[in-house]
Order: sequence, then C-alpha cells, then structure tokens
Amino acid sequence: GAGVSQSPSNKVTEKGKDVELRCDPISGHTALYWYRQSLGQGLEFLIYFQGNSAPDKSGLPSDRFSAERTGGSVSTLTIQRTQQEDSAVYLCASSLGLAGRKRDTGELFFGEGSRLTVL
Amino acid sequence: GESVGLHLPTLSVQEGDNSIINCAYSNSASDYFIWYKQESGKGPQFIIDIRSNMDKRQGQRVTVLLNKTVKHLSLQIAATQPGDSAVYFCAENKDSGYSTLTFGKGTMLLVSP
Repeated sequence: GAGVSQSPSNKVTEKGKDVELRCDPISGHTALYWYRQSLGQGLEFLIYFQGNSAPDKSGLPSDRFSAERTGGSVSTLTIQRTQQEDSAVYLCASSLGLAGRKRDTGELFFGEGSRLTVL
Repeated sequence: GESVGLHLPTLSVQEGDNSIINCAYSNSASDYFIWYKQESGKGPQFIIDIRSNMDKRQGQRVTVLLNKTVKHLSLQIAATQPGDSAVYFCAENKDSGYSTLTFGKGTMLLVSP
C-alpha cells in the first residue's frame, strides 16, 4: 500500500487476555518502530527494527510485551495478559533506514494506530 | 512547553495570525530534531526537520528555529489556517548509533476562523 497500515484500528479486550497488533510498513522501508501514545500524552518508544539487525527492545515496558518482524516486512506487537494500564493507541512507523548507515533519514511515516482498550 | 498530566499546553490563534510553538529538549548531545503534526484520530505527520549544524530552516509556511545554547526549538507557522489545528510534537534524536526519536508531550494548536 501507499502508507503504513495497522490493524485492528480498534480493539477492546478483557483484562488478562492476550492481544496482537499488526503493522504493514511502506514497501522498501527497512526500519520499523512501535510507539505507544496514552491519552493526552506524547509518544513513548517501544521497539525498533532495522533490517536484519537485532531489534532495540529498550522501550518495552515489561516482559508481557514482545514484537517480531517477519521477512523484514510485517510486524506484530503482542501484549500478553493485558492490564488496564495497557490501554493506549499503539502507533507503528517505518522509515527508509538506509542500509549500512547508523542513522536513517529520520522521517518516520506513521500509521493511524491501533486503539487498545482493556476493560 | 511541556505538559503536566493529561493536559496539553494549548495555543489558540485566529486564522491568518502567525503561530509560534515552543519546545525545550533535554539532551545537549541531540543533533537532529523533527516537528510532527497529529490531527485527531490520525498518526503523526512529518512537518520539518533540522540538524544541529543549523539554527534555522524554512519550509512552506513553516520555519523551525534551533537554539542550542538554551536547548530550545520552535516552530513558526505563517498565516495559520483552520486546517493547521492539531497537536504538534517536537522530537529529538538523542541516541548515537541509530535513530530512535524521543518525542515531547505536544502542544495543541487551535485555529479559529
């Protein structure tokens, strides 16, 4: 597609259930990011994938959170045993992430997010 | 400015006015800065960026100013339009080695016709 696609756009779940959020980045973008945005807050970095390098997981808030990126394209963010404080909009972004360079162009292209509500 | 709790700082302007949105960044080692615009229900959208070897950069109707001495970034929007109403985030790259931007909490811009 032309932009970053995320699904589902909305997810309501019960406390304790597991959820999976999907991100389909822009074709050709090697860098993929997950951010979390709570109501009225800025963006909280969760995890970063760059090509075939080991992902930067430093932003994941707990071991209930995990993410994978298959084939260097689609990514799935999984939250196990969801808690009410996990309620937020989860934003995925991708960027060119120029191979062989430590820094990419910096411009992130965001999807519209997956709004998660944990009851 | 920075927000406290759930309340974003808000800037209210009249259509046609010039708007200035300010941001204080935290790390003197940051060398790359971006402004993003987020409309309600959408993901953030890139507006303009600036590297630390510059103190000013202009785009279409927008100008970013960087003052490294006081670690201050501003976004100026000329002839503000109702479509400019959104939350504006500044972001800094403060990790050497790879690009993981750190975002501020945002400022809401409300433009009245």
